[in-house]
Amino acid sequence: QVQLVESGGGVVQPGGSRRLSCVASGFLFSTYDMYWVRQPPGKGLEWVSFIKYDGSNKYYEDSLKGRFIISRDNSKNMLYLQMNSLRPEDTAVYYCVRMSVWLRSPMMDVWGQGTTVIVSS
Amino acid sequence: DIQMTQSPSSLSASVGDRITITCRASQTISNRLNWYQQKPGKAPKVLIYGAATLQSGVPSRFSGSGSGTEFTLTISSLQPEDFGVYYCQQGFSSPRLTFGGGTKVDMK
Repeated sequence: QVQLVESGGGVVQPGGSRRLSCVASGFLFSTYDMYWVRQPPGKGLEWVSFIKYDGSNKYYEDSLKGRFIISRDNSKNMLYLQMNSLRPEDTAVYYCVRMSVWLRSPMMDVWGQGTTVIVSS
Repeated sequence: DIQMTQSPSSLSASVGDRITITCRASQTISNRLNWYQQKPGKAPKVLIYGAATLQSGVPSRFSGSGSGTEFTLTISSLQPEDFGVYYCQQGFSSPRLTFGGGTKVDMK
């Protein structure tokens, strides 16, 4: 079945780095645009980063100011998020998400289970 | 970025109630509006896209309407499995798909 499975979360000190990974299965990963979306504890959803199906275009939420880097390896069905200079406010569940377009309306139609990143000393 | 504002932020309702959640966009977004449901400890799932089209498998008691800047999600007869948090999301300024702040639906 269609599935996204994230890994790489954990506790990291402020200023540290972490790389999240997401493996896709059950669909042709190389033809889908992908997102990372995060959710701080007890708060709402925030899109973090986006990458085109072929890696040609990447976008980031403005507040990240170049600290995060999204990438993908279509040969391995993998999506990555390299997070640098981490801050306590980056503490969140991070979701790997597939984007689809139906009736010209983009939506996030497949979500992973999430991986938790805690930034704390 | 387009700002999305949901109201109310929370509501209490009983099984069988009809409930409506409103979502307003800071600028016109045509019908590019999605609704998601999230249950505690779980990832969100899409309920409605294009403002009014039900995702496959979503019960018909859910409906969406609206265009431009104002949208609604209605549950015609609330069921026990419908309690959770609902988010709207604009799909107009792709790929910057911003979410509303969420509406928590709990039991009265």
